[in-house]
Amino acid sequence: ETGVTQTPRHLVMGMTNKKSLKCEQHLGHNAMYWYKQSAKKPLELMFVYNFKEQTENNSVPSRFSPECPNSSHLFLHLHTLQPEDSALYLCASSQEGTGTSSYNEQFFGPGTRLTVL
Amino acid sequence: GNSVTQMEGPVTLSEEAFLTINCTYTATGYPSLFWYVQYPGEGLQLLLKATKADDKGSNKGFEATYRKETTSFHLEKGSVQVSDSAVYFCALSGLGDSGYSTLTFGKGTMLLVSP
Repeated sequence: ETGVTQTPRHLVMGMTNKKSLKCEQHLGHNAMYWYKQSAKKPLELMFVYNFKEQTENNSVPSRFSPECPNSSHLFLHLHTLQPEDSALYLCASSQEGTGTSSYNEQFFGPGTRLTVL
Repeated sequence: GNSVTQMEGPVTLSEEAFLTINCTYTATGYPSLFWYVQYPGEGLQLLLKATKADDKGSNKGFEATYRKETTSFHLEKGSVQVSDSAVYFCALSGLGDSGYSTLTFGKGTMLLVSP
């Protein structure tokens, strides 16, 4: 148990559906992350929120839309996805300061296994 | 930019064998280095870390030493168990464009331990 929960654990959706993934962290952290883990590819960082503001967006298609209403919750809204978007989506959190000396480890949730038909 | 290279798996060992998983990195500045482990059906868990050159991270019998001269952070364990079967990820933490830290992961190495 890492203190980061994700729901749902499994999701199957059609290409025309709209769904949302939810992440919640109980660690008092101020930064949250979305990663995509596909088979035989490195973990891909999708979005980063620090102090509730989006600070990184690694060229993610607009069919993925993040939302961070507060420092404990992070959502990933999905619409008109493609089959190649099927993957394990991981959420993580960390406690970050500012400057160069805040390289703190990230704590991961169990992931949502997404299948797009 | 930052990058991490791990040996490709799967690594197949018998119980009580010695384990080494190689990891090398490219980074600007002085990154922190991590090993994460992912058991089947679960997310990533931090296994160990090192924040400066010559530091040795250790946990659950696993060790890795931050070697700046060879830009390496190899994972070792003297005697593996069946329960160590998992995917192991080497990662480094550096500053992203935003000025906040981000993690760069290797592709992961699957370890399979047989009784």
